[in-house]
Amino acid sequence: SYELAQLPSVSVSPGQTARITCSGDVLGENYADWYQQKPGQAPELVIYEDSERNPGIPERFSGSTSGNTATLTITGVLTEDEADYYCLSGDEDNRVFGGGTKLTVL
Amino acid sequence: QVQLQESGPGLVTPSEPLSLICTVSGYSISMDYYWGWIRQPPGKGLEWIGSIFHNGNTYYNPSLRSRVIISVDTSKNQFSLKVSSVTAADTAVYYCAREKTHFDYWGQGTLVTVSS
Repeated sequence: SYELAQLPSVSVSPGQTARITCSGDVLGENYADWYQQKPGQAPELVIYEDSERNPGIPERFSGSTSGNTATLTITGVLTEDEADYYCLSGDEDNRVFGGGTKLTVL
Repeated sequence: QVQLQESGPGLVTPSEPLSLICTVSGYSISMDYYWGWIRQPPGKGLEWIGSIFHNGNTYYNPSLRSRVIISVDTSKNQFSLKVSSVTAADTAVYYCAREKTHFDYWGQGTLVTVSS
């Protein structure tokens, strides 16, 4: 089965740029999506099909891919961006989430 | 506005089946989207369980396929999840979501605890 690897945690200061990566062979042939989850809430779609921003998501969020690695970039991080971020990829019959990255805004 | 709402028992006895329903409003389940289930054990990450199309076509996580059935009731605009032979490892918040290569609308989630 597919696997997607994410660093458990990333820390940045407000106003800096945060980069959260997701790696796995499945990304070579499938799109990556990114979801933001705040404590006690359902996940929210941020980026889909590698780089498309979901309606209502601020422009400071962007996505990109290179080979087997997808990257979520948050430019000019705000304290409200502190959350867990999950990548998702895979075929329609084998969808897999990354383990999640906790973004801390110091 | 598309809305999804999970419903079902919050406590299930080990070895018994877990059954949940997702009621969709603001969008017809018979249109061109898949409808999926995702779960999250307490303090852990997300796990895709499976998805269904309105015509009944289903896709399941290979690790859960032997215990999971997802079905759809277009007349009620609902889809459902059944997990058989549950153990404590099935304790999780269960989410339903609309899917078209990505999950764009989610329910609020419902906690199911497996315990005697």
